[in-house]
Formats: sequence, C-alpha cells, structure tokens
Amino acid sequence: KQEVTQIPAALSVPEGENLVLNCSFTDSAIYNLQWFRQDPGKGLTSLLLIQSSQREQTSGRLNASLDKSSGRSTLYIAASQPGDSATYLCAVSPTGGTSYGKLTFGQGTILTVHP
Amino acid sequence: SQTIHQWPATLVQPVGSPLSLECTVEGTSNPNLYWYRQAAGRGLQLLFYSVGIGQISSEVPQNLSASRPQDRQFILSSKKLLLSDSGFYLCAWTQGAEDTQYFGPGTRLTVL
Repeated sequence: KQEVTQIPAALSVPEGENLVLNCSFTDSAIYNLQWFRQDPGKGLTSLLLIQSSQREQTSGRLNASLDKSSGRSTLYIAASQPGDSATYLCAVSPTGGTSYGKLTFGQGTILTVHP
Repeated sequence: SQTIHQWPATLVQPVGSPLSLECTVEGTSNPNLYWYRQAAGRGLQLLFYSVGIGQISSEVPQNLSASRPQDRQFILSSKKLLLSDSGFYLCAWTQGAEDTQYFGPGTRLTVL
C-alpha cells in the first residue's frame, strides 16, 4: 500500500527566505507526483505536476524535483512571501490497470511566511 | 476553459438526516471524477471515483454512496448521516490517470 509522508509538518520562515518542503513515497510505481496548495477552508490548487519520466518542473518561484528511485520529491520556494502561507500537499498517482488517477496524499506541510 | 462547481458550500445537518452533495464540471467531456473527504486532523481520503456514467467505485466502506447520472455530474449521498460523516468534501476531476487533477471549492459538512 502506497504511503506518502511530508516533512516538516509545519514551517515558519521570515519573508524573503528560500525554503524546501519534502515528500517521500513508499512505492515507486507511479504515473506522476503532484504538488498542491490549500488555503484555509478552500479547495486544492494544483501547483506542479511531475511525470514519472521527468526529474523536475518549474513554475515561477516554484521548482519541484522528483527522484523516483529513492521515492522522494522536493518543492523549492524561492524568495518566500506572506502570500505563500498555506498548506502544501503532495500526492502520487499509481500506475496499474485500475489506478484511474486515484491519488494518495501526504498529510501536508503548513507554511507560514511572516513579514 | 474547464471549471468545477460544488454545492452547497456549507451544510449543517442533524444525525440521521439524508445528504446530497453535487459536483459538476464544465468545459470537458468524459472526465474521471472523484470524491475526497478531509476530516479534522486527518489527510485527504479518496471515497469514490468514476470513469463514466453509472460507473462508481468505492474506496472505503462507509455510510455514503455516489452516483453519476450525467457525464459531468457527480453526486454524493447518504440516507442517514452519522456524526463521523462531518468533514470537508472535495470533488475533483482529471482527463486521465497521467494528468493533473483539479479540485472544486469543497463543501463543509457538520453533522450535529
């Protein structure tokens, strides 16, 4: 059974700092790994999707890497801003004939960026 | 562009009452559809998924059921709510297993 773990559970940083969020998964048979952002009381916003054949994806100040063999992904946020404060979730989509895109999520990292 | 809607946004229901939550997707056809629940202090748990009209798969045994009466409509139901059904319910869609999954705004359900 796939298990996804995110470290740290919470992170508080001053504005402007670069930071790294970590995600690990136990089964490397995945189609892709996705990073999401969730603001309090809201739905999930997709940030980046990395296909299993890719090593990294970038969007603006965000860079996500994937090392499928070691079961690890990192989300790098450059020059953090107070507006980046949210819960960040990673999720993996398993391969297999009956996977149908069913995501397994980590518990999330609660990020607070203070001015 | 594609959009996903959920309603109601919030709901307070007594124990034993019925439930119907609705999710609709616009701007795509034949999507895979999903219902997740996010309970307080717990992660996101997949409840149901559907790959086509009338095709529903349940991931966990529970008091809830799902239906897909139309291609872009996904409904979550219960005949009698339990306290443990409280949580934040999220609907999501994707075009394929390898594609980005997009989430709706969610429904906050409180069972009293």
